[in-house]
Amino acid sequence: DVKVTQSSRYLVKRTGEKVFLECVQDMDHENMFWYRQDPGLGLRLIYFSYDVKMKEKGDIPEGYSVSREKKERFSLILESASTNQTSMYLCASSFQVGTNYGYTFGSGTRLTVV
Amino acid sequence: DQQVKQNSPSLSVQEGRISILNCDYTNSMFDYFLWYKKYPAEGPTFLISISSIKDKNEDGRFTVFLNKSAKHLSLHIVPSQPGDSAVYFCAASSTQGGSEKLVFGKGTKLTVNP
Repeated sequence: DVKVTQSSRYLVKRTGEKVFLECVQDMDHENMFWYRQDPGLGLRLIYFSYDVKMKEKGDIPEGYSVSREKKERFSLILESASTNQTSMYLCASSFQVGTNYGYTFGSGTRLTVV
Repeated sequence: DQQVKQNSPSLSVQEGRISILNCDYTNSMFDYFLWYKKYPAEGPTFLISISSIKDKNEDGRFTVFLNKSAKHLSLHIVPSQPGDSAVYFCAASSTQGGSEKLVFGKGTKLTVNP
């Protein structure tokens, strides 16, 4: 089974801190994604990556950056955390959509910014 | 503009009855559709998918129906069980053009009452 591991389940950070959310997948997937989930807003794509050192903005990239130095690892960076970034963050990876694989998600990181 | 819409934020059914979750899409390029299930404090898990070349796909208690002309799909759960209580996300993609992005709806919270 594909496994997507997010380094922390719960995080509490202070406003203005630089925050790193780490995600690792173990099935050699090409594609990796970062989403945030908020009540009433569903899943919103922040950034995604189709290859090492490659990144593309999703629908809500403002206030975030990403890093993909190795194929298996995709990091989300909050440059200066703000209270409106309090959310559930979900990492996902995929081999190829359309082949019955879809995305495999990690368990999520619940981030609270105080 | 929301390309994938789940117009019912919540649904409540009795155990043993049928649950029907609906999803509409606007992009005629979408040709692959998935349903994900999410429990609180966990990542979404893949439930069932359907390609646009089919109009029905069944997996145990779960059946997805696709009506391409109406740009509508639905997930049927029969019989519903209390453990099915979760948020269900509809997702769509276009397998043409090389895009690997899934577009998600906002989710429907299903509650199955014992």
